[in-house]
Amino acid sequence: KQEVTQIPAALSVPEGENLVLNCSFTDSAIYNLQWFRQDPGKGLTSLLLIQSSQREQTSGRLNASLDKSSGRSTLYIAASQPGDSATYLCAVAPDDYKLSFGAGTTVTVRA
Amino acid sequence: DGGITQSPKYLFRKEGQNVTLSCEQNLNHDAMYWYRQDPGQGLRLIYYSQIVNDFQKGDIAEGYSVSREKKESFPLTVTSAQKNPTAFYLCASRGQGATGELFFGEGSRLTVL
Repeated sequence: KQEVTQIPAALSVPEGENLVLNCSFTDSAIYNLQWFRQDPGKGLTSLLLIQSSQREQTSGRLNASLDKSSGRSTLYIAASQPGDSATYLCAVAPDDYKLSFGAGTTVTVRA
Repeated sequence: DGGITQSPKYLFRKEGQNVTLSCEQNLNHDAMYWYRQDPGQGLRLIYYSQIVNDFQKGDIAEGYSVSREKKESFPLTVTSAQKNPTAFYLCASRGQGATGELFFGEGSRLTVL
């Protein structure tokens, strides 16, 4: 069974610092990996989708890398802002339709 | 504009009552999902459907039921058999088979009184 782990569970940084969020998974047989943002009491918003054949994806200040062989993905957020405060979750898609989610990293950016 | 609509946002239920959560999408996606989220835990899969008139149990299907009569709609019924139904419920959909991007609705919070 696929296990997805996100460490640390919580992170607090001063405004302007770069954020590095980690996601690890146990089974490298995945179709893709997706990063989400969740604000309190809200649904999940898709940030980046990386297909298994890709090494990274970028969108604005966000960059996500994928290393399937080592079972790792990293989400980088450059020059963090207070508006980046949220919970960030990763999910991996295996060869069936049942995605597996990490428990998330809760980020606080201090002004 | 396209998206996933969940209703109601908040729902209160007395013990012993069944309740149905609505999920509608206009993204023309084949696959739809229901997840449950509890504080401090990751999302857990309740049911999913790859195509109309077909659905499969997820990891925590006991006490829940679904139907998929239309491509756009995937309602979830929380039955009285669900022992601990108070939670945040999230509906999602995905196109392009197993490689597609997953999109979520805004969620429904169910509280059992």
